[in-house]
Amino acid sequence: DGGITQSPKYLFRKEGQNVTLSCEQNLNHDAMYWYRQDPGQGLRLIYYSQIVNDFQKGDIAEGYSVSREKKESFPLTVTSAQKNPTAFYLCASRAGRTNTGELFFGEGSRLTVL
Amino acid sequence: DQQVKQNSPSLSVQEGRISILNCDYTNSMFDYFLWYKKYPAEGPTFLISISSIKDKNEDGRFTVFLNKSAKHLSLHIVPSQPGDSAVYFCAASSRRKTGANNLFFGTGTRLTVIP
Repeated sequence: DGGITQSPKYLFRKEGQNVTLSCEQNLNHDAMYWYRQDPGQGLRLIYYSQIVNDFQKGDIAEGYSVSREKKESFPLTVTSAQKNPTAFYLCASRAGRTNTGELFFGEGSRLTVL
Repeated sequence: DQQVKQNSPSLSVQEGRISILNCDYTNSMFDYFLWYKKYPAEGPTFLISISSIKDKNEDGRFTVFLNKSAKHLSLHIVPSQPGDSAVYFCAASSRRKTGANNLFFGTGTRLTVIP
């Protein structure tokens, strides 16, 4: 089945540690996105990528990094510089490179910093 | 500044009745609107969309209405079912903004359908 797979679903991290969240899609979509969801704040865009080897900062990119070495994969690293990393992280993809059509979301990864 | 607003954080409706979820936006450049449904610990799933050239789009029990002059859209669910209980996000984008790749999301409305 085509879809977006995020892993791990739950992750615990100690303060000061970097952690990488995986996102893989087999939908052959060009664009991929990372969002963060916090209670009462909706979904906020962290980074997005329209094409392999290219990515752009979203609204809340500080403390995060990404790579797009393959079309199918868009991992997100939450660095120790992110001051409030505990959140629910959502990866998404879209078929075209332009701003049309709906996003397809993964099931999310919940990161908790201890 | 929140460009898409869902002012009701929660809504409770009796099974079989109509659910009306509201969404307001401030950016007049927005010309494409979507509703997503989200269950706990899962990713949002696309529900229905509407282009600004229309004022209504219907898909089964779900209808979205767009009032461009008021910068307001609403999602109607008729009849409401317990399985509709979820958080509903409104989202908006501007297809005229080339190179942009972002949907602006509202903060969500939690719908509870009471059996």
